[in-house]
Amino acid sequence: DGGITQSPKYLFRKEGQNVTLSCEQNLNHDAMYWYRQDPGQGLRLIYYSQIVNDFQKGDIAEGYSVSREKKESFPLTVTSAQKNPTAFYLCASSSREGGAYNEQFFGPGTRLTVL
Amino acid sequence: SQQGEEDPQALSIQEGENATMNCSYKTSINNLQWYRQNSGRGLVHLILIRSNEREKHSGRLRVTLDTSKKSSSLLITASRAADTASYFCATERTGGGNKLTFGTGTQLKVEL
Repeated sequence: DGGITQSPKYLFRKEGQNVTLSCEQNLNHDAMYWYRQDPGQGLRLIYYSQIVNDFQKGDIAEGYSVSREKKESFPLTVTSAQKNPTAFYLCASSSREGGAYNEQFFGPGTRLTVL
Repeated sequence: SQQGEEDPQALSIQEGENATMNCSYKTSINNLQWYRQNSGRGLVHLILIRSNEREKHSGRLRVTLDTSKKSSSLLITASRAADTASYFCATERTGGGNKLTFGTGTQLKVEL
């Protein structure tokens, strides 16, 4: 059963706490991505990784951190420095053919609420 | 800032009718992709059209791309209630690596 999984589905956190969102894929994809979606909005890129042990900031990286120690895993930490962390977080992955990347496959998302 | 802007923001049609959504963008692109999202779920890829392509079909979906006008359209023919969802266009900018920039989406409601 191939795909991309995220856990937990719902997460509640108190202000001032760091929290880590899990993202795992068994599609053997090189690239992985983290997006944030606010109500009624499109997706905004937080971080992405094209290869193990390497990652780059997206458009809204402040207050977030990631690691890519394994090809199949790309966890996202939402730190206390993120001013407005309540949102829906989506992880995605994609494969590469030659010099071009293919479509992105998305996980089911994690809804984070800061209390 | 959002690269893609979808139009309309919301669309309500009857089952069996066609639905057309438009997307405009600002910079040169490698490709443009359309995704679908059911409420509270992840996105599902529908179709990818490269900058050297003008039209692409997949089942009941037809996508066009006009790079001179920096615009794309998604046509869903013979719509069904199950097509009710939000639809997003996403662009991969030229020289932007594999990063996608998403628009704000069109909410489609197909009524019985």
